[in-house]
Amino acid sequence: AQSVAQPEDQVNVAEGNPLTVKCTYSVSGNPYLFWYVQYPNRGLQFLLKYITGDNLVKGSYGFEAEFNKSQTSFHLKKPSALVSDSALYFCAVRAKFNAGNMLTFGGGTRLMVKP
Amino acid sequence: GAVVSQHPSWVICKSGTSVKIECRSLDFQATTMFWYRQFPKQSLMLMATSNEGSKATYEQGVEKDKFLINHASLTLSTLTVTSAHPEDSSFYICSARATHRGELRYEQYFGPGTRLTVT
Repeated sequence: AQSVAQPEDQVNVAEGNPLTVKCTYSVSGNPYLFWYVQYPNRGLQFLLKYITGDNLVKGSYGFEAEFNKSQTSFHLKKPSALVSDSALYFCAVRAKFNAGNMLTFGGGTRLMVKP
Repeated sequence: GAVVSQHPSWVICKSGTSVKIECRSLDFQATTMFWYRQFPKQSLMLMATSNEGSKATYEQGVEKDKFLINHASLTLSTLTVTSAHPEDSSFYICSARATHRGELRYEQYFGPGTRLTVT
């Protein structure tokens, strides 16, 4: 079985400050990890993924995430938050050899960036 | 980038009627499409996986006779909610995995979602 935990329901940060949205996972074998963002009444937009290679992954809109195998984490980060980054963020995982190709999502973390 | 569309974006129907939601991959072929359901302030719950030309695989607890899925082409999958009831009201989101040079890509691309309200 595979699972994802996003321990924070909401993260508040001031505009211009760095932000971190936490994610830990559990899978059998090597993971494929993803971050998605969802704006109100919209579908999910792909931000970035880790498949293999460098542990630090850079994605859209200045976001990046660091894969830490020993801590089974894939935290999303941005050096300087924008008010427009306020949205719902989902971490997702899929085992490398998941025949069903199924993503498992975390519960989501609402990011609030205040001016 | 890969774009997935859904139609309609929102629909209101009366209890007992059926509603069809379309999911299209606009600029890529998708042999595999996924249907999710999302309740307010909750995460996405996978309902079923559909593969072009074959029967959908439903997750445990999802009624296959109630949520009919058809994936007739590489760019279109449909979800029909049959005999809808108020408890079926939800946000339905489809996603697709692109095929590039015959191989599946890693990421899924999501449609904008369809809000269904059953009165």
